[in-house]
Amino acid sequence: DAGVTQSPTHLIKTRGQHVTLRCSPISGHKSVSWYQQVLGQGPQFIFQYYEKEERGRGNFPDRFSARQFPNYSSELNVNALLLGDSALYLCASSLTGTDSYEQYFGPGTRLTVT
Amino acid sequence: AQSVSQHNHHVILSEAASLELGCNYSYGGTVNLFWYVQYPGQHLQLLLKYFSGDPLVKGIKGFEAEFIKSKFSFNLRKPSVQWSDTAEYFCAVKIWGSGNTGKLIFGQGTTLQVKP
Repeated sequence: DAGVTQSPTHLIKTRGQHVTLRCSPISGHKSVSWYQQVLGQGPQFIFQYYEKEERGRGNFPDRFSARQFPNYSSELNVNALLLGDSALYLCASSLTGTDSYEQYFGPGTRLTVT
Repeated sequence: AQSVSQHNHHVILSEAASLELGCNYSYGGTVNLFWYVQYPGQHLQLLLKYFSGDPLVKGIKGFEAEFIKSKFSFNLRKPSVQWSDTAEYFCAVKIWGSGNTGKLIFGQGTTLQVKP
């Protein structure tokens, strides 16, 4: 079975631009979470979606938004990019959003803001 | 605020040495505990997890971890490391309760370098 997939793999953007990152969960998984991993640190929680509804939000500004589609794939959008948004963005999927199921991570999208 | 602390940022061992990586969390309620590993050039993979029951859990590749509730700790151990264990290791906690819909809180990670 395919794991969590993310696109694109790498992305270079300029300050002030916006970006859309995409994630496809493992087949059968209905929950998707997004994390930001800055170099040298552990992943930081951004959003969790389950059954197309936002179930959790981390301490990130409103420039960050996300949505989940009927097929359970998800997009993360970041507006008005700042240099500090440069990071590896990870998507994780799990069977459900609130049960004791582990999260499976994708390879990430490396975003560089110049 | 809830947090996860990993005591060792960078560990260097020789092959066959024993490994113990420390992890402590700050939360007094119900938690699920995880160790993830990130090998060079690869994505995060689950090493092991604790949900309930026996506090000594075994994972893949000979790793194990012990949950000590009184110490809020979940240390990772391996009796004899191999060069292929060179990777970054992350401890993570899932906190249950109002406003915490299963998000993972990660420690800052420990880089393990095993010398052949």
